[in-house]
Amino acid sequence: DGGITQSPKYLFRKEGQNVTLSCEQNLNHDAMYWYRQDPGQGLRLIYYSQIVNDFQKGDIAEGYSVSREKKESFPLTVTSAQKNPTAFYLCASSTGTTNTEAFFGQGTRLTVV
Amino acid sequence: DAKTTQPNSMESNEEEPVHLPCNHSTISGTDYIHWYRQLPSQGPEYVIHGLTSNVNNRMASLAIAEDRKSSTLILHRATLRDAAVYYCILRDIISNFGNEKLTFGTGTRLTIIP
Repeated sequence: DGGITQSPKYLFRKEGQNVTLSCEQNLNHDAMYWYRQDPGQGLRLIYYSQIVNDFQKGDIAEGYSVSREKKESFPLTVTSAQKNPTAFYLCASSTGTTNTEAFFGQGTRLTVV
Repeated sequence: DAKTTQPNSMESNEEEPVHLPCNHSTISGTDYIHWYRQLPSQGPEYVIHGLTSNVNNRMASLAIAEDRKSSTLILHRATLRDAAVYYCILRDIISNFGNEKLTFGTGTRLTIIP
C-alpha cells in the first residue's frame, strides 16, 4: 500500500544531543513537509521541499536541519541548538499542486530529558 | 500568505449535522480551500477541498460562499468518531517556481456529545 511512514513513533534523547527523525513516502510525491505540534496547538511548518536536492525554511526552522537526497526521503535533524525540542513532529507529502490532497505520517513524539 | 480564521472549539450532539465555519477574507483567486482533520495523537487526514463550487464526498460537504471569503464544512450526521480538530487551510503558491507552502492554523476542536 502507498503511504508515508515516520519512524520511530516515540523517541527519547538527552539534552544536547542531535537526533534525526525519519520520513519516507512511496507515493511518488515531489513535495514533502515537516511540522512541529505542541500540546493543544496547531501545526507549525519547519521545512519543506518541492524537489530533490532543494528545500526551504518554514516558519520555525531555527535549530532544525533537513536533507532531500532522494525523492522518497526527507529526514529531519533536531539539533542541540533547538531550545525546546520536546514536541510531536509530523511529516507530510503532496504532489505539490494545490488541488490535490496532502498525506501525513502518524508522527514522532520526541521527548528530550 | 492568505490566512484562515476558525472558532477554537465547537460542540455537537451525536447523529446531528455539524457546520464548521472558516473565514478567509484575503483569499486569492487561485487559492484552493482544503479541510483536514486530526484525531488525537495522529497525523491529520484529508477531508475535502474546493475552489468555487460546493463539493460533496463520502466524508463531508463543503459549502463555499459566493465571494469565497468564507466556507463551511458540513458533517451530515456526526458520530463519536468525528471528534477531532478540524483545520481549514488555503493552498497557496508563493513564488514563480511554484514553491508551495502548506500552512496550518490552530483549527476547531469538535466535541461530539453522546
